[in-house]
Amino acid sequence: DVKVTQSSRYLVKRTGEKVFLECVQDMDHENMFWYRQDPGLGLRLIYFSYDVKMKEKGDIPEGYSVSREKKERFSLILESASTNQTSMYLCASSFGLGKLFFGSGTQLSVL
Amino acid sequence: KNEVEQSPQNLTAQEGEFITINCSYSVGISALHWLQQHPGGGIVSLFMLSSGKKKHGRLIATINIQEKHSSLHITASHPRDSAVYICAVNTGTASKLTFGTGTRLQVTL
Repeated sequence: DVKVTQSSRYLVKRTGEKVFLECVQDMDHENMFWYRQDPGLGLRLIYFSYDVKMKEKGDIPEGYSVSREKKERFSLILESASTNQTSMYLCASSFGLGKLFFGSGTQLSVL
Repeated sequence: KNEVEQSPQNLTAQEGEFITINCSYSVGISALHWLQQHPGGGIVSLFMLSSGKKKHGRLIATINIQEKHSSLHITASHPRDSAVYICAVNTGTASKLTFGTGTRLQVTL
């Protein structure tokens, strides 16, 4: 069974903390994505990566950075968490223009 | 105006009804995706299509490239079909997607 695994289902952090969200896929996909999902706004792309050490900004990259040192792992970093980054974060992967496979999401609360 | 528009935003149906969810887009696309998200759950890809029609069980997805429109149909709906259905498109050769805001479906007994 193909899998995209996100390290935490729920996370609570304080304002100003550095936050790491990890995502691992076991399908050898070259594309990996980080989205956030907010009520009424749908899914918005933060960053994506099409190869190891390659990354491109999505629609809302401000306040975030990413790291892809290995093909199977794509990390999202909140350098200094703020309350407006409270959201559901979803990781996904794909091969070429193929179907996306999503992780189960991380609900992050920043207090 | 969003590049991807879905209608309706909310839909309530009785078990057994035939359901249609619509998606219109305003840009050139290479593929269109239909996704399903159950409450509290992750997102599952239902279909990816670039022309014509695809069927999987009780689900049917169609696309009309000229009219920039796609529909997702559910035949003989069941309460377990209750979920948010999301339309998304690949524009050009980009692997990233542009998403609609979703249609919340509730199927009652």
